[in-house]
Amino acid sequence: DQQVKQNSPSLSVQEGRISILNCDYTNSMFDYFLWYKKYPAEGPTFLISISSIKDKNEDGRFTVFLNKSAKHLSLHIVPSQPGDSAVYFCAASDRGGGSNYKLTFGKGTLLTVNP
Amino acid sequence: GAGVSQSPSNKVTEKGKDVELRCDPISGHTALYWYRQSLGQGLEFLIYFQGNSAPDKSGLPSDRFSAERTGGSVSTLTIQRTQQEDSAVYLCASSLSSGTRPAEQYFGPGTRLTVT
Repeated sequence: DQQVKQNSPSLSVQEGRISILNCDYTNSMFDYFLWYKKYPAEGPTFLISISSIKDKNEDGRFTVFLNKSAKHLSLHIVPSQPGDSAVYFCAASDRGGGSNYKLTFGKGTLLTVNP
Repeated sequence: GAGVSQSPSNKVTEKGKDVELRCDPISGHTALYWYRQSLGQGLEFLIYFQGNSAPDKSGLPSDRFSAERTGGSVSTLTIQRTQQEDSAVYLCASSLSSGTRPAEQYFGPGTRLTVT
């Protein structure tokens, strides 16, 4: 039972354009969401997060949008750069469940930014 | 500063053998996590250590899996009588105390385990 779903296994965009990575979740108790980026042969690195009390969080070229009613979040990268090419994982946490450290991850989306 | 390190980076073992995977967390990080990523899957939570508290072992898939963290630092994940379905990348992460929100977890490069 996948509680965090990234339905697009891959995405290809042109350098300079916008990349939009999507994530859906089914557990309404999730109240904190994170995006991680992973290069081959490396561990994931934290990118950006958002609490459920917000609908948007921005950090430089990266913006995460949260639509709680739709149980959907998205990561926007503008402008996309070739160095952004990586696998992006969406993760969620139920802080109220007493285990705020336990993250549930999606399967990831491979982003390729073409020069 | 040094990040999270894991050893070995690759391990090939025969079905039925035991394996030990090691994780050295970032110095000063009190929380340590083990995850598993099977082919085509997301990261699957295995176990969590926080300071001297009892670990959360709820993610361990079977009693063949165990982990310990000695002296609040280095951790070892042990898989006994390995099976082919244990083949995966095993990732370790550490963080400062998780506090009231999920702490930023710093991941190691992982150990790729192949059971033949």
